[in-house]
Amino acid sequence: QSALTQPASVSGSPGQSITISCTGTNSDVGGYNFVSWYQQHPDKVPKLLIYAVSKRPPGVSDRFSGSKSGNTASLTISGLQTEDEADYFCNSYTSTTTLVVFGGGTRLTVL
Amino acid sequence: EVRLVESGGVVVQRGGSLRLSCAASGFTFVDFAMHWVRQTPGKGLEWVALISWDGGVTFYADSVKGRFTVSRDQDDNSLSLQMNSLRPEDAALYYCVKDIGSSWYTFDSWGQGTLVTVSS
Repeated sequence: QSALTQPASVSGSPGQSITISCTGTNSDVGGYNFVSWYQQHPDKVPKLLIYAVSKRPPGVSDRFSGSKSGNTASLTISGLQTEDEADYFCNSYTSTTTLVVFGGGTRLTVL
Repeated sequence: EVRLVESGGVVVQRGGSLRLSCAASGFTFVDFAMHWVRQTPGKGLEWVALISWDGGVTFYADSVKGRFTVSRDQDDNSLSLQMNSLRPEDAALYYCVKDIGSSWYTFDSWGQGTLVTVSS
């Protein structure tokens, strides 16, 4: 069982917007602005999409955005494209004995 | 371009030891913290270990604390993970990962991974 909770799957149609949630506690997501999001296509390595809750690294499309409210962080993908179909993972700093925790991942299907 | 190339993954018996290596290039290695992150189909991604830019600070996941040791060679631009007392649950694809630099909790470049299998 992962420390951060993500929905197992979400789906959307091309052009739509979807949001993936990542729920933790006051010891991680809610207490610090160190939430990141990663995209992983099948048989590929994870790619950083969002860090520090809402910052985008150079080269990442502005269709990807991040936010946080309380103990839940969210990744929003607007203008869905077929190439967005992938697994998405969140992670956060945690003040517990383990430094970093991940979510279990969300499979995005673009219908 | 950042390049991280892992090696050392093999089939090892339960209770055995293994050393993973990672060759880094394309960035100033001594300026960045480095991590090991592992992935299994059933458990997803799991952070394993961190070593600071100068090697002076290390952190470990609870699941590997006391069994794994992370180290780095600044002259060789390499990262290592010594894994002892291996358990079946340690079987995974192990990634060498570069930290973004502004924190110790964000991973901006990943290697292709090296596969560790633990036989019981």
